[in-house]
Amino acid sequence: HVQLQESGPRLLKPSETLSLTCTVSGDSLSSHYWTWIRQPPGKGLEWIGNIHDSGNTNYNPSLMSRVTISIDTSKNQFSLKLNSVTAADTALYYCAGGLGWSSDYWGQGSLVTVSS
Amino acid sequence: EIVLTQSPGTLSLSPGEKATLSCRASQSVARNYLAWYQQKPGQAPRLVIDDASRRATGIPDRFSGSGSGTDFTLTISRLEPEDFAVYYCQQCANSPLTFGGGTKVEIK
Repeated sequence: HVQLQESGPRLLKPSETLSLTCTVSGDSLSSHYWTWIRQPPGKGLEWIGNIHDSGNTNYNPSLMSRVTISIDTSKNQFSLKLNSVTAADTALYYCAGGLGWSSDYWGQGSLVTVSS
Repeated sequence: EIVLTQSPGTLSLSPGEKATLSCRASQSVARNYLAWYQQKPGQAPRLVIDDASRRATGIPDRFSGSGSGTDFTLTISRLEPEDFAVYYCQQCANSPLTFGGGTKVEIK
C-alpha cells in the first residue's frame, strides 16, 4: 500500500520560495511518475508538473519560470520549489504518483498560505 | 494546451438514480488518456477511471467510463450515499496535463 506525505513550511511571505517534500512509503520511486497538483481554497485542481525517476520533468507553462521539481531516490522523496510566491499561490498542495501520467496515489495535501 | 469542459456544473439526484457526467476536450485526447477523479470534502482526489474506461483498483462496477476523441462520459449506474462528491476529468495525453472544472453530484 503506497502512502505519500507532504512536508514543508505552511506560511510564507510574498516573494519567498515555497519548498515542499513528498515522502513515499510502501514502494520505491522507480518506474513511476511523481506529480505536484494544487487546489486554491474552494476551487478546482491545477497540475503543476511531474518527474520520472529517470529525472525527466514536465511543467505547467504558466508556472515554468518559477518551478522546479526534483527527486531523491535514496530517500524515496521528491520535492517542489516555487519561487517568488504571491497570494495567488495560496493553495492546498498535493503530491501524487502513478505508473503513468494519471495519479493513483495521493498525499493528504499541505495547505500553504502566502500572506504578508 | 487542451481545455476540458465538464457539464453540468452541478447534478442534483437521489440515491439509486443514475448519474451521467460529461467531459468535452478542446482537441482530441490521444490514445484516450482521460482520467476521472472523485473528491469528497476535506479529502484528496481519488482515481476512479483511467484510460477513459478502465476502473481503478477498488472502484465498484457501478462506475463506468466511455468515450473517445473529444467527448467522454462518466456514468454511475445507481448512486450510493458515498458517491455524492465532486468529480474531475483530467487529460493525461499532452503536457501540460489539464483538469476540467468539476461536476458536483449532490443529494436532491
